[in-house]
Amino acid sequence: DTAVSQTPKYLVTQMGNDKSIKCEQNLGHDTMYWYKQDSKKFLKIMFSYNNKELIINETVPNRFSPKSPDKAHLNLHINSLELGDSAVYFCASSQGLNNYNEQFFGPGTRLTVL
Amino acid sequence: DQQVKQNSPSLSVQEGRISILNCDYTNSMFDYFLWYKKYPAEGPTFLISISSIKDKNEDGRFTVFLNKSAKHLSLHIVPSQPGDSAVYFCAASAQGSNYKLTFGKGTLLTVNP
Repeated sequence: DTAVSQTPKYLVTQMGNDKSIKCEQNLGHDTMYWYKQDSKKFLKIMFSYNNKELIINETVPNRFSPKSPDKAHLNLHINSLELGDSAVYFCASSQGLNNYNEQFFGPGTRLTVL
Repeated sequence: DQQVKQNSPSLSVQEGRISILNCDYTNSMFDYFLWYKKYPAEGPTFLISISSIKDKNEDGRFTVFLNKSAKHLSLHIVPSQPGDSAVYFCAASAQGSNYKLTFGKGTLLTVNP
C-alpha cells in the first residue's frame, strides 16, 4: 500500500498549457511538501503545508499554486507552463512541523514541457 | 548559492568494501543533517540522520560522521552491497527555517559485485 502517491507519473504538455499534479498520503501526517528536481539534479523545496496552512513558499512563480483540500492531499496546479518548468516534481509528507521528523517522498512526476 | 555540496557526482566501490560519501555545508545555522537514498524512478527514502550535538550516529551498516568545525559530514557504508547502488543525497535543516530541508546534488554510488 503506497504511503505517498502522485498522479500522473509522467506528464508531457505544450508550453502555455495549465496542468495539475495530485498528491495523496495515507500515513496520517499533517505536513506535506512539494519539491522540484531540475536538470542539474538539485532537489529544492517549493512549498510546505501544515494542517492545510501554507508554511513555506520558496519564491516560486505565482503560476504555481498549491492546493490542500485536506491534510492527506496536496495538489500542485501550474498555469501557463514554460520550458523551464520541465523537471521531476516530488511530493513528500511528515508528521509535525516543529521537529526533525523524517520526510516520506512520493515516486515523483516527470513533467516535460514542449 | 549551494549551501549543501556533494562534490563527487559518482563513486564506484567493490562489494564488501567501505563506501564513503562526503558532504560539505556552508550555513552555520544548520543543526540537523540527513542522508536520503534514491533508486531510479522512485522518490528519495530516509536513511540516517545526525543532530549537530553529536559527531557520530550508527545504524547497522550505515554510520554518519559530523565534523562541525570543518562543516563536513560523511556517510560510511560497510560492508557495501550491490543493493546499495543508488543516488545518495545529503540534506540539512535549521531550526529557524521552518525545518525545511536543503539538499545537495547527490552522489551516485555503484557497488560492483
